[in-house]
Amino acid sequence: SQQGEEDPQALSIQEGENATMNCSYKTSINNLQWYRQNSGRGLVHLILIRSNEREKHSGRLRVTLDTSKKSSSLLITASRAADTASYFCASFSYNNNDMRFGAGTRLTVKP
Amino acid sequence: GAGVSQSPRYKVAKRGQDVALRCDPISGHVSLFWYQQALGQGPEFLTYFQNEAQLDKSGLPSDRFFAERPEGSVSTLKIQRTQQEDSAVYLCASSLRERPITQYFGPGTRLTVL
Repeated sequence: SQQGEEDPQALSIQEGENATMNCSYKTSINNLQWYRQNSGRGLVHLILIRSNEREKHSGRLRVTLDTSKKSSSLLITASRAADTASYFCASFSYNNNDMRFGAGTRLTVKP
Repeated sequence: GAGVSQSPRYKVAKRGQDVALRCDPISGHVSLFWYQQALGQGPEFLTYFQNEAQLDKSGLPSDRFFAERPEGSVSTLKIQRTQQEDSAVYLCASSLRERPITQYFGPGTRLTVL
C-alpha cells in the first residue's frame, strides 16, 4: 500500500505562478525525497531532505519537512510549461531500505 | 554514462502467459529495486537486491512474481500465469551504495494483460 497521501491530487496553474504540493507520510523516516515523472517516463530525483532538516532549496524548488506532523511540502516558484508533470514524495527509512511513494500530484502549467 | 534501461518498453500478454521483464542498472550500482506503478498511482515497492542478494521481497504481490539478479548486475522480474490485475508499469531503479539514498529510475515496462 502507499505510504502517504499527496495533496492536491491535481493542480493547474498559469506559467509564472508558484505551485505548492503537500505530502504526508505514516512512519518515522530518515529522509524524504521528491521525484518528478513525465508522462510515460521513469522518475527523476529532484531533491532530498533529511529528517533533521526543516527546509531545503534547489534552484526554483523549496522543500519543507515537519516531522512532528509527518508532512512535507514542495514549492516550485515561477513555474514554466515544462514543469508540467506528476510529482511524487517518497519517504525513506534505513530500517527497511525501501522507499514508500505517495500517489502523486499531477501539475499542469499553462503557457 | 548510460542510465538504467529496461526492456521491453511495452509488453502485451494474454492472461495465463508468463512474462519476463529485464532491467540493466547503471554499471557499478550495488542496489536494485523493482516497483509496480498502476495507472494514476505512485510506484509501489516490490523487491530489493543488494548485489546478487535479494534482501527484501515483501512487496511481491503473490508467488507468481519472481525476481533474480544472479550476477549482481542485470535483473529479471518474472510473472507467471499473468492476470489482468498485473497490468501496470514496472519500474526498475538502481542506486550506487548499499544504502540507496538516491535512486535512478529506468523508463519502465508497460505490461498489459488481456
